[in-house]
Amino acid sequence: TQLLEQSPQFLSIQEGENLTVYCNSSSVFSSLQWYRQEPGEGPVLLVTVVTGGEVKKLKRLTFQFGDARKDSSLHITAAQPGDTGLYLCAGVWVVDTGNQFYFGTGTSLTVIP
Amino acid sequence: KAGVTQTPRYLIKTRGQQVTLSCSPISGHRSVSWYQQTPGQGLQFLFEYFSETQRNKGNFPGRFSGRQFSNSRSEMNVSTLELGDSALYLCASSPRDSKNSPLHFGNGTRLTVT
Repeated sequence: TQLLEQSPQFLSIQEGENLTVYCNSSSVFSSLQWYRQEPGEGPVLLVTVVTGGEVKKLKRLTFQFGDARKDSSLHITAAQPGDTGLYLCAGVWVVDTGNQFYFGTGTSLTVIP
Repeated sequence: KAGVTQTPRYLIKTRGQQVTLSCSPISGHRSVSWYQQTPGQGLQFLFEYFSETQRNKGNFPGRFSGRQFSNSRSEMNVSTLELGDSALYLCASSPRDSKNSPLHFGNGTRLTVT
């Protein structure tokens, strides 16, 4: 069983549409991070959310951390072809043996021009 | 500042062989983690090294091992390769232990086992 479940797994939309990706868990995390991975490359950090209820905006991307720090969402407004990629959420636990990262199952987004 | 460098980018091996992958972290980063990425399982944590010591380990068989050198460079070894080991292996480095610390990933080594 996955610690973090993302939905949807695949998403194909037209340019200009809005979308939301969800990352859900039954566990509480110290923080939650979102990464985007493009083909042939490693994941790149988009944002870290730390406080329950926190909302962060990165241009057309809006990230929200759930009040209980168990879930998160990523909303993209007016999607563009450049947004195409694999979106990964990662729950972070800070423990005495260092940070532990648990990655979600991923959402593969395709934005059609 | 140079990013995380992984070599080689591609590898083709046959079943039963062994393989060594290399990772050079960002300068100053002491934590290096390894992940296996497959379409069916997503990103699975292998192990993490900090100051030459394995600090955390994922749920992989003993055929998967690693080490870290004094300059923080890390290697991962897989012995007695199986078809199911075909995957993208990602290395990531991190600067410190805090809830805000990100993982900086390399572009991975694509391993194909035939």
